[in-house]
Amino acid sequence: IAGITQAPTSQILAAGRRMTLRCTQDMRHNAMYWYRQDLGLGLRLIHYSNTAGTTGKGEVPDGYSVSRANTDDFPLTLASAVPSQTSVYFCASSDSTFPSGVNEQFFGPGTRLTVL
Amino acid sequence: GQNIDQPTEMTATEGAIVQINCTYQTSGFNGLFWYQQHAGEAPTFLSYNVLDGLEEKGRFSSFLSRSKGYSYLLLKELQMKDSASYLCAVARSGGSYIPTFGRGTSLIVHP
Repeated sequence: IAGITQAPTSQILAAGRRMTLRCTQDMRHNAMYWYRQDLGLGLRLIHYSNTAGTTGKGEVPDGYSVSRANTDDFPLTLASAVPSQTSVYFCASSDSTFPSGVNEQFFGPGTRLTVL
Repeated sequence: GQNIDQPTEMTATEGAIVQINCTYQTSGFNGLFWYQQHAGEAPTFLSYNVLDGLEEKGRFSSFLSRSKGYSYLLLKELQMKDSASYLCAVARSGGSYIPTFGRGTSLIVHP
């Protein structure tokens, strides 16, 4: 693994189904994030994690949950998918959420999710 | 909260210079990021400004004025491969410090 990966690449899902999007990074970054990107709305933060064992809500958390059992993995779960959750989902990581140098985010390749 | 404004779309000619502006309003400020995103790909980091002034990095430069809540990304010697979306993101002091993204500017470079 080099950098940050996401799976699946794309998925078509029936409404009401449960779905987990996977995200793994090998950079030993403390902070990880989940964004959704919709046309005309830009990137919106769903949930984040400052460090393993902690999570926080972003701008649009409803209908999503996350866990951070270890440093490398940060799965995003849709408990009961709805059509409005159709979007492109990006996972990202950074050294920290706290101001310490540039602290840029590194993004995974994205998961394109369609909920019918 | 934060308001971040960027133009939706810009066009420019190969070889020219283009300036993409970003204005923001925030209750606290802890840095401004620019990211590039090609269609169908992930955003990639371009620059970070936390102090006033110009940061130059090859063909790309980024400027910040904290008192005016204003930044711009300057792209010189435009190439066709520079056609992409450019995302401005502002980190707010206090709270989580996580940057909030603007809606992005789609730049089209034509021959």
